[in-house]
This record gives sequence, structure tokens and C-alpha cells, in this order.
Amino acid sequence: DTEVTQTPKHLVMGMTNKKSLKCEQHMGHRAMYWYKQKAKKPPELMFVYSYEKLSINESVPSRFSPECPNSSLLNLHLHALQPEDSALYLCASRLRQGSGELFFGEGSRLTVL
Amino acid sequence: RKEVEQDPGPFNVPEGATVAFNCTYSNSASQSFFWYRQDCRKEPKLLMSVYSSGNEDGRFTAQLNRASQYISLLIRDSKLSDSATYLCVVNYAGNNRKLIWGLGTSLAVNP
Repeated sequence: DTEVTQTPKHLVMGMTNKKSLKCEQHMGHRAMYWYKQKAKKPPELMFVYSYEKLSINESVPSRFSPECPNSSLLNLHLHALQPEDSALYLCASRLRQGSGELFFGEGSRLTVL
Repeated sequence: RKEVEQDPGPFNVPEGATVAFNCTYSNSASQSFFWYRQDCRKEPKLLMSVYSSGNEDGRFTAQLNRASQYISLLIRDSKLSDSATYLCVVNYAGNNRKLIWGLGTSLAVNP
């Protein structure tokens, strides 16, 4: 079983909806990541939080808004998404940015209608 | 040139075969290296970290060649359950210490 927990596992939303994806880890990791993955492609980095501060934003559109309320939690707020945003959204954590292995959650499969 | 390159395959091998994957990286400042395995519609899972001295875990052996800037993964006695995509990941010292992912190599082990 993965030690990174993501909810919901599946999400269907319209282009005008507002929803959030949630991620939680209790391994004491201080780096947390959001990745987007399309079929037959590798994960594509979106955001990195290091010690609860946003460290990397890979020029992600503002309709995706990350939040790190504390060292165990990571959210991704979604608003006014487009159908091409449909993908598997993966949360991951690491001991520290640049150190150690990356542990993934099972992902949230998002469909935008 | 891509920062991390892998042969996408697919590799189709019979059960019991030995198969090897290579991955090349362009930045000599790379610090650490990993092989991840991803099953269809699942999350990537760490298969092995790759150390300078090489490392082995059962049927899996990983090697690092810093001079030629490549890492390899050898799978011996392939099982049907080894069918998956194998992703090479490189951690750079610079560049915000980002992880750079290869496109993955698809392996199908056939009965």
C-alpha cells in the first residue's frame, strides 16, 4: 500500500466547476510534488513544495492553484479547466527536494467535460 | 538532445529471457539515478536506486557509467508480471534539483 494518499481517485467535472484534489503523507517528508500524466507519457512536473513553500512552478496555467496547508498535506485547486486538462494527477513526496526517492500516491484520474 | 533518453520499445520477450534497458543523460552534473516501474493506469513505483558501484536486487541489476553518462537495468529470468513501462529518472544537482524523467521503455513478457 502506498504511504501517500490521494483523494478522490476519480473526478469528473465541468468546465465551470471548482474542485480540489487532496494529498496526504505521514512519512515526515518535506518535499511534496504535483505531477500530471497523460497516457503513454512520463509524469510531467507541475509544482514542488519544499518545507511548505512553493519551490517550483513549471509555468502551470493559473486555473491550477496549489496549496500546502502543512507539512503533511498538499492540495490542488481546480477552476475553469479545459477538456485537455483531463489526465492522471499524481502527488508525490520525498524526504527533501533533491534527496531520496520519490513516493507516489495512486493518483486522481480527472475527466473534464 | 533530450536530457534523458530511453529506447521506447516495445520490447517483447519470452518468459525466462534476459532483457536489458539503457538510459543516457546529458548533464554530467547529475547526482542520483533511479529506475521506476509503472503498470498500466497505475502510479510509478520505485524499482531501484542506481549507485556508482552498481546494485542488484534479486533478478534486477542496475549499473551506472558516469564516464559515458548512461545507466542500465538488467532483468534476468523475465516473468509475465515484469510486463510494465520502465522509467529512467535523473536528479540534477543544479536546475532546482529537479527530477528529469525519460519517456519510458515498454516491456511485454510473453508466455
